[in-house]
Amino acid sequence: DVKVTQSSRYLVKRTGEKVFLECVQDMDHENMFWYRQDPGLGLRLIYFSYDVKMKEKGDIPEGYSVSREKKERFSLILESASTNQTSMYLCASSLPLGQGNTEAFFGQGTRLTVV
Amino acid sequence: RKEVEQDPGPFNVPEGATVAFNCTYSNSASQSFFWYRQDCRKEPKLLMSVYSSGNEDGRFTAQLNRASQYISLLIRDSKLSDSATYLCVVNYNQGGKLIFGQGTELSVKP
Repeated sequence: DVKVTQSSRYLVKRTGEKVFLECVQDMDHENMFWYRQDPGLGLRLIYFSYDVKMKEKGDIPEGYSVSREKKERFSLILESASTNQTSMYLCASSLPLGQGNTEAFFGQGTRLTVV
Repeated sequence: RKEVEQDPGPFNVPEGATVAFNCTYSNSASQSFFWYRQDCRKEPKLLMSVYSSGNEDGRFTAQLNRASQYISLLIRDSKLSDSATYLCVVNYNQGGKLIFGQGTELSVKP
C-alpha cells in the first residue's frame, strides 16, 4: 500500500518560532509537493521538488523554504511563523510526466495553528 | 487570473440527479488533467484522469476541450456518497507541477 506520511497531524506553534513540517514517501517518486489548504481558496502550491536538491517555487512561497536532501523526504520550513500561516498543510508525491501514472498521493495533512 | 478556476458551489442536488462541474485553465502548455475528490477532513484522492477523447468510469464522465482550455466532470444518478469536494487538477511542463482548482463542493440530499 502506497504511503505518504506527514510527521504531525496537529501542531501549535508560537509567532516567530521556526517550524519544520516533515513528509516521507515510500513510492520512490521523483516529484514531491507542499500545499496549503484554506477555506474558499483550495489547495495552493507552496513549493515543488522534482529531484533531490531540486526545487521550484509555487504560487505562494513567501515565508517558506524547503529541503530535499533525500529522495523520500521533503521538508517544509517556516522560518519565522506568523498567524497568517495558520492552515492545513498537505504533502504529496508523484511520478514525473511521461513516466506512467502521474497520480499524486497525499499525506493525511498537518493542521498548523500559530498563536 | 487563477491558473485553474472552478465554480466553488456548493451544488445541492437530490439523489438520482445529474450534475456537471466545469473547470478552466490558463496555461496552454498544460499536459495532463485530472479530477480529484476530497471528503471532509480527508486528503484529496484521484477520481479519474481526463483524456483528450473523453473518458467514462461508471457514472462519471470526464471531458477535455484543449481549444477552449476547459475540463468537465459529469456525474449521473448521484448518490449520497458522492457528497464531497471535487478538485480539478492540471499538470504542467517539465517534471509535472500539479496545480489545483479551488474545488467545487457537492452535497447530494435524500
